[in-house]
Amino acid sequence: DAGVIQSPRHEVTEMGQEVTLRCKPISGHNSLFWYRQTMMRGLELLIYFNNNVPIDDSGMPEDRFSAKMPNASFSTLKIQPSEPRDSAVYFCASRQDRLGASQPQHFGDGTRLSIL
Amino acid sequence: AQSVTQLGSHVSVSEGALVLLRCNYSSSVPPYLFWYVQYPNQGLQLLLKYTSAATLVKGINGFEAEFKKSETSFHLTKPSAHMSDAAEYFCAVSDQDNFNKFYFGSGTKLNVKP
Repeated sequence: DAGVIQSPRHEVTEMGQEVTLRCKPISGHNSLFWYRQTMMRGLELLIYFNNNVPIDDSGMPEDRFSAKMPNASFSTLKIQPSEPRDSAVYFCASRQDRLGASQPQHFGDGTRLSIL
Repeated sequence: AQSVTQLGSHVSVSEGALVLLRCNYSSSVPPYLFWYVQYPNQGLQLLLKYTSAATLVKGINGFEAEFKKSETSFHLTKPSAHMSDAAEYFCAVSDQDNFNKFYFGSGTKLNVKP
C-alpha cells in the first residue's frame, strides 16, 4: 500500500515568495496532520483535519500560514510570504480513527524547506 | 494536556550492547503509547504501540517496550544493538480526551559504535 505522499521533497526559495506544500494521505484515512520539525523546537503540530474539516489550528504560527483539505485525498500547507525562520522540515501524517483509539499516525517523508 | 519526557537527547552504545531509551509520560489514566524511529531524511516510522493488551510490547527490528503504570514509563529496549539502529527515536502519547492528538517527546538520538 502506498504511504503518505508529500511533494516536493525539497524546496529552496527566496524570502517573500509563496510556498505550497502538498500531501496525499493514505487512502481511507480520515484524519490528516501537518507538523514542523526543527532542531530548536523539535516536532510541532501545526494543524489537523478530521473528515476534511480543520479541527485544531492552534499550532499555526501566524497568519502567513494556511492549510486546506479540499477532499479526502489531498491537502496543502501554504506560506505567504515566506521568511527565513520558516526553514524546517514539514511532515504530513494521516490516521484512521474509525478503527479505534490505538491507531497510530503514519508519516510521509517530509518536505525540507529552505528560505533564503 | 499530556506530556512526554525522554531522558537523554543522545545515547551512545557499542554494537552488540543493550539499548535502553527512556520515556516517561504524564497521565492520570493509562494512555495509548507509541515509539517511532526516524532515519536521516525520512519520516517517522512506527516501531511499536501499547494498547493495554499486554504490558510488554514487541515491535519491529527486535525492539520491545514495557509499560509500567506505577512508574508512568514506557522504556524502549533492544538486547543487542546493530549499526543499522542508529537513528532518532521518539516516544508519543495520545491525548486521553482526543485520540487524534499525539504528544511527542523531544527525541533521543542513538549512536551505535563499531
